[in-house]
Order: sequence, then structure tokens, then C-alpha cells
Amino acid sequence: KQEVTQIPAALSVPEGENLVLNCSFTDSAIYNLQWFRQDPGKGLTSLLLIQSSQREQTSGRLNASLDKSSGRSTLYIAASQPGDSATYLCAVLGGGADGLTFGKGTHLIIQP
Amino acid sequence: GAGVSQSPSNKVTEKGKDVELRCDPISGHTALYWYRQSLGQGLEFLIYFQGNSAPDKSGLPSDRFSAERTGGSVSTLTIQRTQQEDSAVYLCASSHTSGAGNTIYFGEGSWLTVV
Repeated sequence: KQEVTQIPAALSVPEGENLVLNCSFTDSAIYNLQWFRQDPGKGLTSLLLIQSSQREQTSGRLNASLDKSSGRSTLYIAASQPGDSATYLCAVLGGGADGLTFGKGTHLIIQP
Repeated sequence: GAGVSQSPSNKVTEKGKDVELRCDPISGHTALYWYRQSLGQGLEFLIYFQGNSAPDKSGLPSDRFSAERTGGSVSTLTIQRTQQEDSAVYLCASSHTSGAGNTIYFGEGSWLTVV
């Protein structure tokens, strides 16, 4: 059964710092990996999708990498801003499941 | 509409009552997913539809849960004889197809409280 782990569970940093969120998964037979953002009381917003054949994807200040063989992904946020405060969720498609398997998220707070 | 639409956005029901949660996916999306997010827990996959068919229903937590999708569009998740442990946010998502290159888009969720 696919399991997804996110480290750290929570992170609080001053505005302007570059930071890295980590995600690992147990079954490397995935089709893709997605990073989502969830604001309090809201649904999920897709940030980046990396297909299994890709190594990374970039969108603005966000860069996500995928090392499928080692079962790891990182989300890099450059020059963090208070508006980046949210819970960031990593999810993989595949590895024996029909739907996405999610980690429990990293709760990020960017201090002004 | 432009995004995945879910209703009701909030529902408080008495234990033992039945509830229906509705999802209207993005127009043209053939794949539709239901997830559950309980307080302090991660997202739990419940079921997905490709068109009107649901290949795998094993993610549904119990036989009190059922889901259907008609006309390849709107889906309804029904919970019969609700229990307090059913209290959660029920999130619906859709994608163009179920292929690996397709971004999955989520609705805002239906917040269910069973009292």
C-alpha cells in the first residue's frame, strides 16, 4: 500500500527566506506527483504536477523536483512571502491506488 | 462553471439521518474523484469515476456510503444512517481524463457535521 510522508509537519520562517518542503513515498511505481496548497477552510489548489518521466517543474517562485527511484520529491519556495502561508500537500498517483495518495501536509507560516 | 462546484458547502445533521452531497465537475472532465478529510487527518481517497462507471469502490469506508454519477457529469455521494465519525470535509475533484498528465482540480468541499 502506497504511503506518503511529508517533513516537516510544520514550519515557521521569516519573510524572504528560501525554503524546502520534503515528500517521500514508499512505492516508486507512480504515474505522477502533485503538490497542492490548502488555505484554512478551503479546498485544494494544484501548484505543480510532475509526471513520472520528468525530473522537475517550475512555476514562478516554486520549483518541484522528483526522484522517482528514491521515492522523494521536494518543493522549493524562493523568497517566501506572508501570502505563502498555508498547508502544502504532496500527493502521488499510482503505486497500487486508483486515486491520489496524500501526505498529511506541511503547515507553513511565513512571518512578516 | 469555471471550477468544481460542491453543495451543500456546510451541512449539520442528526445522527442516523441520511445525507446527500453533490459535485458538479468542470465541464468536459471525464474523471471525477471523492475524498474525505477528517480533522487532523490526511485526505482519504473514497472513489473515482471514469465517465459513469466506478471501477473500484473499495475505498468507501462502509456500506453506508454510496456514490453515483449519471450522464457523465454530476455525482452524488450518499451517506446513510450517519454516525459522528462521518463528520469531515468531503472533497470532490475532477480531471480531463484519468491519465498521468492530467492536473486534478478540487472543489471547496462539503463540511459535514453529525451531531
